[in-house]
Amino acid sequence: GQQLNQSPQSMFIQEGEDVSMNCTSSSIFNTWLWYKQDPGEGPVLLIALYKAGELTSNGRLTAQFGITRKDSFLNISASIPSDVGIYFCAGYGSSNTGKLIFGQGTTLQVKP
Amino acid sequence: GAVVSQHPSWVICKSGTSVKIECRSLDFQATTMFWYRQFPKQSLMLMATSNEGSKATYEQGVEKDKFLINHASLTLSTLTVTSAHPEDSSFYICSAVGQAYEQYFGPGTRLTVT
Repeated sequence: GQQLNQSPQSMFIQEGEDVSMNCTSSSIFNTWLWYKQDPGEGPVLLIALYKAGELTSNGRLTAQFGITRKDSFLNISASIPSDVGIYFCAGYGSSNTGKLIFGQGTTLQVKP
Repeated sequence: GAVVSQHPSWVICKSGTSVKIECRSLDFQATTMFWYRQFPKQSLMLMATSNEGSKATYEQGVEKDKFLINHASLTLSTLTVTSAHPEDSSFYICSAVGQAYEQYFGPGTRLTVT
């Protein structure tokens, strides 16, 4: 089946730094979703992308749907301590099963 | 908008008993809901697809007789873990599908079977 490769697996950065993470696949995706999960909580939807090339911002977060439809990235600018958590990319593949495919997650730690 | 609740948020039960977890979409209707299981430091693992008014569709390897799913209305799906055993201890998360096919997740339920 379709898979998503998310990188990096973890990041440890200084407060104020910018962060970038991405997801890639060998096959086409129709929708990309970025989530953040805090410990003991469910994932919270950050940004949804529906068209190739689409660039969408949500506060300090910016995400893009790659032109090839096989990748997406999430950038966080001027990180703050509350950005700590696990970020997941997810998407609907071209097989249209209606099931979300998840990346492995990026664990972000921010040092004050 | 797009709020999904789960109840209970955590539960401890004895081995052999059954536990019911509720998933509600509070401000929208969801024809489809999903149930996931998550192990520590891992991504979400899809267990089953819950469709309102029809039988749930289970992923390979998930026992349908052990994890009973009922989607009786457009805002409520329930997962019942029957005859729970310690290996069923996990974090269970539901999601509800919005109009643009985005999935909104509940806060999760921590199940501990003793």
